[in-house]
Amino acid sequence: KAGVTQTPRYLIKTRGQQVTLSCSPISGHRSVSWYQQTPGQGLQFLFEYFSETQRNKGNFPGRFSGRQFSNSRSEMNVSTLELGDSALYLCASGSSGTYNEQFFGPGTRLTVL
Amino acid sequence: GQQVMQIPQYQHVQEGEDFTTYCNSSTTLSNIQWYKQRPGGHPVFLIQLVKSGEVKKQKRLTFQFGEAKKNSSLHITATQTTDVGTYFCAGLVLTGGGNKLTFGTGTQLKVEL
Repeated sequence: KAGVTQTPRYLIKTRGQQVTLSCSPISGHRSVSWYQQTPGQGLQFLFEYFSETQRNKGNFPGRFSGRQFSNSRSEMNVSTLELGDSALYLCASGSSGTYNEQFFGPGTRLTVL
Repeated sequence: GQQVMQIPQYQHVQEGEDFTTYCNSSTTLSNIQWYKQRPGGHPVFLIQLVKSGEVKKQKRLTFQFGEAKKNSSLHITATQTTDVGTYFCAGLVLTGGGNKLTFGTGTQLKVEL
């Protein structure tokens, strides 16, 4: 089985721009979760989608949004980028949501200048 | 909100020494998952503990879930250079609004020859 894929792997943006990141889960997995990882804050939960519905949301501002398509692929969008949004964005898929093993993708490294 | 703390933040050991990381949650957990992230990599699932007082072993790794299901530990016997990385615990809380998986702050392990 192919693993979780994320595109793009690296991205450089400037403040005020917006960005869309994509995640394709493992085939058959209907749950996709997104995390922001920074050296100072560790792994912070953004949101979880299951069968196209957002099931859970972390404590991030409304500039962070996401969606899931019928094929379980997910996108997250960050509008009006700030310097502090520079981070590694990881998505993870699971067969049973977050209850069991999460399979992480390689991440998208976002740098905001 | 739920918090999951890990100690120590960093651990530097000589190869062959033992290593332990501790995870403490502010709330009672439904289960706890452990992940390992190699430098430059993404988190990889190690194990999941569900029952109060549960102990599981994987070769040199021993995982324990506390009786109150609010703490957990990972112990590595006779560390090797391949054990280098950051170890995260992730506590799951079942809520009416959806499962919430909160990652701990992580323990970075360095192993010297």
